Amino acid sequence: QVQLQQSGPGLVKPSQTLSLTCAISGDSVSTNSAAWNWIRQSPSRGLEWMGRTYYRSKWYNDYAVSVKSRISINPDTSKNQFSLQLNSVTPEDTAVYYCARERGGVDYWGQGTLVTVSS
Amino acid sequence: QSVLTQPPSASGTPGQRVTISCSGSSSSIGSNTVDWYQQLPGTAPKLLIYSNNQRPSGVPDRFSGSKSGTSASLAISGLQSEDEADYYCAAWDDSLNGRVFGGGTKLTVL
Repeated sequence: QVQLQQSGPGLVKPSQTLSLTCAISGDSVSTNSAAWNWIRQSPSRGLEWMGRTYYRSKWYNDYAVSVKSRISINPDTSKNQFSLQLNSVTPEDTAVYYCARERGGVDYWGQGTLVTVSS
Repeated sequence: QSVLTQPPSASGTPGQRVTISCSGSSSSIGSNTVDWYQQLPGTAPKLLIYSNNQRPSGVPDRFSGSKSGTSASLAISGLQSEDEADYYCAAWDDSLNGRVFGGGTKLTVL
């Protein structure tokens, strides 16, 4: 059974960097048959896909146009996890953030982390 | 405003059949497969349908999906009270090079 365990701060100050980590059990971040996503949800923006990382003989990333200039998603093969960094946050980045596995559909989700951007 | 368009609400009585629509474009639904998710309050979304009409293991066959052109539909037959939830469609969009979601449909079981 795949499990995704998220960790990271729930409060970030404006202009700073939001950092979250997703630890994977029951699968490998280096698998050739899945992609590892970050998705957020807020009342104003609904469900918003942010980006993904995946391995197909080499590492690839795809990022949403809305955050492309501020986002980085990186795998950590030594710890079997992947991370999200979102720079220069504003209150509009306040949301519940989910990590998730994509294999066919998005079939496994982390527990969600409410991140509030506030001074 | 979401890239995929869903009705904000739907309703039905127990035992009834309900459908939820999802409208996209040639670069999203018209070129890629559609997924459907169910979200209960306070929980992460759950995959209901993938690749237009495939059910993951454990999803009841009361849930079915279909796609035609740039639109897709989720059908729920034999409606039950526990089906009351928010439902989202999703697809890859080739123009945006990203996954896009619908705005969600809140299903009420009367």
